[in-house]
Amino acid sequence: GESVGLHLPTLSVQEGDNSIINCAYSNSASDYFIWYKQESGKGPQFIIDIRSNMDKRQGQRVTVLLNKTVKHLSLQIAATQPGDSAVYFCAEKGGNEKLTFGTGTRLTIIP
Amino acid sequence: KAGVTQTPRYLIKTRGQQVTLSCSPISGHRSVSWYQQTPGQGLQFLFEYFSETQRNKGNFPGRFSGRQFSNSRSEMNVSTLELGDSALYLCASSSLAGAVGEQYFGPGTRLTVT
Repeated sequence: GESVGLHLPTLSVQEGDNSIINCAYSNSASDYFIWYKQESGKGPQFIIDIRSNMDKRQGQRVTVLLNKTVKHLSLQIAATQPGDSAVYFCAEKGGNEKLTFGTGTRLTIIP
Repeated sequence: KAGVTQTPRYLIKTRGQQVTLSCSPISGHRSVSWYQQTPGQGLQFLFEYFSETQRNKGNFPGRFSGRQFSNSRSEMNVSTLELGDSALYLCASSSLAGAVGEQYFGPGTRLTVT
């Protein structure tokens, strides 16, 4: 895979700081959400998922927050590292069992 | 465990031709999904196969088709290529059907239509 999008929203964060990437989803009936990371030259890589009956889930250095009221999803990355530089996508799954992806955010870690 | 492999990695075709892309899922995975990724449209779902049956299909014309073999390997075919079909085609495998659980993506096939 290659880097996607010429006009992605971008976020630059100092190494060691925390980063928050936001995503607005469209379908209020979506019941499952996933965050993916895509590095240049690679396919998307699963980071963390959350079901609609939860509002928070934590992984290793990552936390996903789900606010169903405003249809908003966020990914928090703690103590960012240079290897976190990538494009991050959120994806939602509705009742049709299809994943719909967001446009992506390009995260750049500043050394 | 070997990851998802896709062949070929790069392909150049001419308008009107057809193309077949191949995806080998992770051993033991029975679900294979295909996606198209372009700068303009982002990642879009094409279809999902599970145990040799198409379970789901995205909003793409009938020129896009696929199949899955008994060993879970999958192919997708695009006939009568158009310039707009230039994209990165990604496949993802999973042990579960229906876009639930962790999907493992391959590196993609970069298709250029001239």
